[in-house]
Amino acid sequence: DQQVKQNSPSLSVQEGRISILNCDYTNSMFDYFLWYKKYPAEGPTFLISISSIKDKNEDGRFTVFLNKSAKHLSLHIVPSQPGDSAVYFCAASAPNTGNQFYFGTGTSLTVIP
Amino acid sequence: GAGVSQSPRYKVAKRGQDVALRCDPISGHVSLFWYQQALGQGPEFLTYFQNEAQLDKSGLPSDRFFAERPEGSVSTLKIQRTQQEDSAVYLCASSLDRGTETQYFGPGTRLLVL
Repeated sequence: DQQVKQNSPSLSVQEGRISILNCDYTNSMFDYFLWYKKYPAEGPTFLISISSIKDKNEDGRFTVFLNKSAKHLSLHIVPSQPGDSAVYFCAASAPNTGNQFYFGTGTSLTVIP
Repeated sequence: GAGVSQSPRYKVAKRGQDVALRCDPISGHVSLFWYQQALGQGPEFLTYFQNEAQLDKSGLPSDRFFAERPEGSVSTLKIQRTQQEDSAVYLCASSLDRGTETQYFGPGTRLLVL
């Protein structure tokens, strides 16, 4: 039972344009959400997070939006750069599920120069 | 100041062989996690330690999987009598404290069981 879903396995974007990566979840108890970026043969690298008490968190070119009523979050990258090409994982955790993170299946982003 | 390290980076095992995967967390990090990532999937939780105490092992797929962190620092994930379905990348992560602290991942150990 996949509690965190990333329905787009891949995304291609032109350099300089906006990249939007989407994530949906089913567990209404999730209260903390993160995005991780993963290059081949490396472990996931933390990118940005958001608590459920917020609906937006921004860090440089990266902004995460949370829509709790829709159980949806998105990651916006503006402007996209070729170095952003990687697999992006959405993750979530809940206070009643211990300390584990639930991950989506990832979206492979390609930024075309 | 080093990040999470894991060894070996790659391991090829014959079916039925026992393997041991090592994780060195970030110094001072209290919490340590093991995840299994199958090809094309996201990481899936295996087990969690707070210091030396294994507080959650609900994700371990069978009793062939065993993890320990005897001194609250380095951890070892052991898989006995490996099966082909155990082939995956095994990721270790650590965080400064309990709760929803950000987890920092190692590069993973890619296990291939033939």
